[in-house]
Amino acid sequence: GAVVSQHPSWVICKSGTSVKIECRSLDFQATTMFWYRQFPKQSLMLMATSNEGSKATYEQGVEKDKFLINHASLTLSTLTVTSAHPEDSSFYICSAKTGGGSFGELFFGEGSRLTVL
Amino acid sequence: AQKVTQAQTEISVVEKEDVTLDCVYETRDTTYYLFWYKQPPSGELVFLIRRNSFDEQNEISGRYSWNFQKSTSSFNFTITASQVVDSAVYFCALDLYSSASKIIFGSGTRLSIRP
Repeated sequence: GAVVSQHPSWVICKSGTSVKIECRSLDFQATTMFWYRQFPKQSLMLMATSNEGSKATYEQGVEKDKFLINHASLTLSTLTVTSAHPEDSSFYICSAKTGGGSFGELFFGEGSRLTVL
Repeated sequence: AQKVTQAQTEISVVEKEDVTLDCVYETRDTTYYLFWYKQPPSGELVFLIRRNSFDEQNEISGRYSWNFQKSTSSFNFTITASQVVDSAVYFCALDLYSSASKIIFGSGTRLSIRP
């Protein structure tokens, strides 16, 4: 089946630094990717929708200057957490959609755990 | 408004018991998909099932079964003869045709299977 890979799977950084997380669709082209955030013992909350070749669409309450999303190719979307602070520590999960239309198949990456010291 | 409610925050049962995880959804859309995902401690989401709004047939896959009832807007998940490996957080989710795969997740149910 289709595979979505995230890298790194976990990262620890100092407060004030920026961290980039990659989401790759390994065997299919994904025109649309989604980024989710999950705090401990909570549900997944959609942060933004990433469309190849255009600006990401952010959900209400998500700071676009804080969470930079780039979808430069059909197989890669990146999420950069800029000037990270301890409250940004979370589990970030991406998903990628195959096919066109509103109901393509959706596959999730394995997640990236960010800890900001 | 679109919403998925999983009223059971945590469930703990003894191995080999049957357990049902409840899911109630809200939407005015007539075309949508419902999902169940499993999230083990490692964190990755494991896809279990996708069911479209026009297919109310119940489904069975091994020890897993799903009961979709549009009349009550419910999509419940039953594990028969539970095993310790079933311990995980289970999420019910809703995908609206009108929202182009912006999946809405329920709050999740943490299932613990005791040996």
